[in-house]
Amino acid sequence: EAGVVQSPRYKIIEKKQPVAFWCNPISGHNTLYWYLQNLGQGPELLIRYENEEAVDDSQLPKDRFSAERLKGVDSTLKIQPAELGDSAVYLCASSFGRFNEQYFGPGTRLTVT
Amino acid sequence: TQLLEQSPQFLSIQEGENLTVYCNSSSVFSSLQWYRQEPGEGPVLLVTVVTGGEVKKLKRLTFQFGDARKDSSLHITAAQPGDTGLYLCAGDFGSGAGSYQLTFGKGTKLSVIP
Repeated sequence: EAGVVQSPRYKIIEKKQPVAFWCNPISGHNTLYWYLQNLGQGPELLIRYENEEAVDDSQLPKDRFSAERLKGVDSTLKIQPAELGDSAVYLCASSFGRFNEQYFGPGTRLTVT
Repeated sequence: TQLLEQSPQFLSIQEGENLTVYCNSSSVFSSLQWYRQEPGEGPVLLVTVVTGGEVKKLKRLTFQFGDARKDSSLHITAAQPGDTGLYLCAGDFGSGAGSYQLTFGKGTKLSVIP
């Protein structure tokens, strides 16, 4: 079974530029999550989707971040414009089942210069 | 936002030693998960505990859920260099029946020295 796929793995951009991350969850997993992870910290939820519906986006900075999950499968997370403080690892995860056990992708490491 | 504390934050031990890491909250978890994360990779699920007092074993790893479901521990026997990584606990503070409030701790960074 293929795992969660994310791309790109690394991205370096200048501040004020836009950036987008892509995630393909495990087939059959209806719930998809985007997390932000700073160095030495645990993942922090940005947004959670049930199929194509964003059911929890309370932690998403909506002035510059946006996300979509068209057709309830792949998802894209966008930042526009990026700020220096956005440098972090962006993790995508998917889950299926009663306890929402998370299956993570390898993450995208974003560096904003 | 529910708080979930992990301790210690860092742990460096010699190969063959035993260790325990802890995960605590002032609120009750409906379930709790432990993950291990290696550098450059996403976290990987190790175990889910649900019932107060539950003990689960995964080879040399023993996971325990507190009776009151507010705390959990992970004990590693005879640590190996391959156990090195960031150990994360994640508690679900939801009330069940489809609700969901999964919160990750900051993790314990374990280094096992050969």
